[in-house]
Amino acid sequence: QKEVEQNSGPLSVPEGAIASLNCTYSDRGSQSFFWYRQYSGKSPELIMSIYSNGDKEDGRFTAQLNKASQYVSLLIRDSQPSDSATYLCAVLLAQNTPLVFGKGTRLSVIA
Amino acid sequence: GAVVSQHPSRVICKSGTSVKIECRSLDFQATTMFWYRQFPKQSLMLMATSNEGSKATYEQGVEKDKFLINHASLTLSTLTVTSAHPEDSSFYICSAARGPNSPLHFGNGTRLTVT
Repeated sequence: QKEVEQNSGPLSVPEGAIASLNCTYSDRGSQSFFWYRQYSGKSPELIMSIYSNGDKEDGRFTAQLNKASQYVSLLIRDSQPSDSATYLCAVLLAQNTPLVFGKGTRLSVIA
Repeated sequence: GAVVSQHPSRVICKSGTSVKIECRSLDFQATTMFWYRQFPKQSLMLMATSNEGSKATYEQGVEKDKFLINHASLTLSTLTVTSAHPEDSSFYICSAARGPNSPLHFGNGTRLTVT
């Protein structure tokens, strides 16, 4: 069974700190990895895509992928209260197949 | 800007009626679209994969005769909730990807309330 695991949280960090969100996946053949942010009552929005091992930075966000360890993470620098949301890790196993989502980690940034 | 448009954003209907939700890819053709459902404080749940020109693929436990999916063109998929009941009240979200390895882009969702 294809699984994506995330700690449900809540993860609480003070404003200005680094928030670290982690995700593991079970299928070693997974091709593409994505992080989505979902505010309460809204649909998910894409934050980051990562396809190869290493780090990928976009503004305050850094995605890290380690295929050997089957691990992908998202770092949010200088966390803001507006970053408070549920963060969903998603993994694509093969082309034109549904993304497999984790259950999400709820992040709370305390002002 | 939005790449996937979903309509309506909110609908209230009476038990026993049917509701149609539209999902459009705005500037790309989507041979495949995905329909999700999310209950309050719960995870996204994939309902079905909508395939242009062929039958949808439903996930286990999703009734295909209750949730009718039509993907008649490369930019439009519709989900019809037939004979809706209060337990069908949920947040329905469609999604599509620009390419085979591209991320999914989600519509804004439809909040369905069945009274």
